[in-house]
Amino acid sequence: GDSVTQMEGPVTLSEEAFLTINCTYTATGYPSLFWYVQYPGEGLQLLLKATKADDKGSNKGFEATYRKETTSFHLEKGSVQVSDSAVYFCALSHNTDKLIFGTGTRLQVFP
Amino acid sequence: EAGVAQSPRYKIIEKRQSVAFWCNPISGHATLYWYQQILGQGPKLLIQFQNNGVVDDSQLPKDRFSAERLKGVDSTLKIQPAKLEDSAVYLCASSLGPRRHFGPGTRLTVT
Repeated sequence: GDSVTQMEGPVTLSEEAFLTINCTYTATGYPSLFWYVQYPGEGLQLLLKATKADDKGSNKGFEATYRKETTSFHLEKGSVQVSDSAVYFCALSHNTDKLIFGTGTRLQVFP
Repeated sequence: EAGVAQSPRYKIIEKRQSVAFWCNPISGHATLYWYQQILGQGPKLLIQFQNNGVVDDSQLPKDRFSAERLKGVDSTLKIQPAKLEDSAVYLCASSLGPRRHFGPGTRLTVT
């Protein structure tokens, strides 16, 4: 069945460092891909999405490119801030509107 | 607009007891979802409603879990009797189109 694999956390960075959180997926066909973020004490929020190969989703300085050839959707940000500290979830949705999530990656950014 | 509301935010019960969670979706959202998020895992869909009808409950443990959405608005999720492995965060989400809006969740601890 469809699945999403994320790098384990926590990822610990200093402010202004470059961020990469790896995400790969297994699915038939062409799923839509998402990154969700969960700030402490809050609900999941959609961060960005891409619906077809080579699409780049972007929001709040974060970017991810849908790579069909490597079945990946890595999340990147050029300069992280303390306020980016949160748990990040990669997810896919394939035809049925059913979201399948990865296990989440905790990001901790220190000043 | 007001977000998805959930209550209670925290609940501690002993195994074999029963518990109920409540969700108030965003006004006008026809689709409502309940997810279970076990520590260290991504959210897993338990049940999806379209108005007051069930669309998908394939991963709902029906021997102990039940959910209803009377009048197609608020929803309750019940566990009876609870087991230790039910300890998790229970997330409610709603949507009108493709974008889901998540509530803050209810953290359940079963001792």
